[in-house]
Amino acid sequence: DAGVIQSPRHEVTEMGQEVTLRCKPISGHDYLFWYRQTMMRGLELLIYFNNNVPIDDSGMPEDRFSAKMPNASFSTLKIQPSEPRDSAVYFCASSLYRGEGSNQPQHFGDGTRLSIL
Amino acid sequence: AQKVTQAQTEISVVEKEDVTLDCVYETRDTTYYLFWYKQPPSGELVFLIRRNSFDEQNEISGRYSWNFQKSTSSFNFTITASQVVDSAVYFCALSEAMDSNYQLIWGAGTKLIIKP
Repeated sequence: DAGVIQSPRHEVTEMGQEVTLRCKPISGHDYLFWYRQTMMRGLELLIYFNNNVPIDDSGMPEDRFSAKMPNASFSTLKIQPSEPRDSAVYFCASSLYRGEGSNQPQHFGDGTRLSIL
Repeated sequence: AQKVTQAQTEISVVEKEDVTLDCVYETRDTTYYLFWYKQPPSGELVFLIRRNSFDEQNEISGRYSWNFQKSTSSFNFTITASQVVDSAVYFCALSEAMDSNYQLIWGAGTKLIIKP
């Protein structure tokens, strides 16, 4: 079975440019999560979706960050304009809903290593 | 408040030694789930195990084993006869059933170095 697929794997761009990260969750999964990982702050949840609807975006650092999920098989995380402090590894994860309180594991993509110069 | 503590920042052992990674958690919920993830040097996050709070049986999977003890709020992970390929950062995480967001509370991770 295909896992969570993220693209690109690496992105290097200059400050001020728009960056778009892409994610394809595992087929049939109901939840999709976007995380950011840095040495200083560890893993941070940015936003998550349930059935394509954004549920909690309180982790999105600034208005420069936006995320969409137009359908069950695709999500994007966009940074515009990008800044050097946005450099991090961005992970997408998905999980399956199996009933109230069943808390299934999140399965992660390989991540996008983003460097803003 | 929920919290996961992995007190060991880094552990270094020689190949074939056994090693235990500690995980201590805090929660007020009576139903919760604990997870372990592995992040090898290549960077991906790999799910290893999920355990619910009502199942205190130890779990063994090959060289990996997990010891869940509610009395001490711990969910420790042991690797038997370690191998170089086990070198990675290991994360412990908590999810509360009452949290409809199903969010994971992450520990800071333990970096495990297996020397040949």
